[in-house]
Amino acid sequence: NAGVTQTPKFQVLKTGQSMTLQCAQDMNHNSMYWYRQDPGMGLRLIYYSASEGTTDKGEVPNGYNVSRLNKREFSLRLESAAPSQTSVYFCASRKGTSAIQYFGAGTRLSVL
Amino acid sequence: GQQVMQIPQYQHVQEGEDFTTYCNSSTTLSNIQWYKQRPGGHPVFLIQLVKSGEVKKQKRLTFQFGEAKKNSSLHITATQTTDVGTYFCAGPFTGGGNKLTFGTGTQLKVEL
Repeated sequence: NAGVTQTPKFQVLKTGQSMTLQCAQDMNHNSMYWYRQDPGMGLRLIYYSASEGTTDKGEVPNGYNVSRLNKREFSLRLESAAPSQTSVYFCASRKGTSAIQYFGAGTRLSVL
Repeated sequence: GQQVMQIPQYQHVQEGEDFTTYCNSSTTLSNIQWYKQRPGGHPVFLIQLVKSGEVKKQKRLTFQFGEAKKNSSLHITATQTTDVGTYFCAGPFTGGGNKLTFGTGTQLKVEL
């Protein structure tokens, strides 16, 4: 049971490049989330998906798009990367009947 | 908007000393969760508190939910090097949805 799997683990981009961060969970959870973590600022919600086919903005959605491809997969896309998007990105999932969130190992992204 | 603050931001202790982190919300919370993130790792769920004044223990860790359900604390007795990491509290987002607002975190370092 892998839990929440994120790819890639590390990525370096040049300003203006695009990329997609992938997330998949094998726990049959309905809700999935994307967070970014910056020093001293905790975890900030970018987007979330309450169920397959639905997505909603979080606290810091500007510069990002998401796709809930199916119940398992929730991807985060940076269309035109900026240095301000240098961060650690975490995907998480949540079982419908529980408040507990399960996190992936994270993607460490640097935008030069 | 809803804010969840934690103090202190950093804490260095000698092994064997006690440690406490405090979490304060700008709004009343229906429940509060605590997560631990080891250096280089991802957040891992520790516990959830639901009732006003609730106290729960996990070995050397004691969690408390305030009477007004706007604050919480985590106390570690006789810290060990395995306690190193960042501790986050998190509460349900008051705007609705299955979302959490995470605190800013307290980074604990334990020196031998």
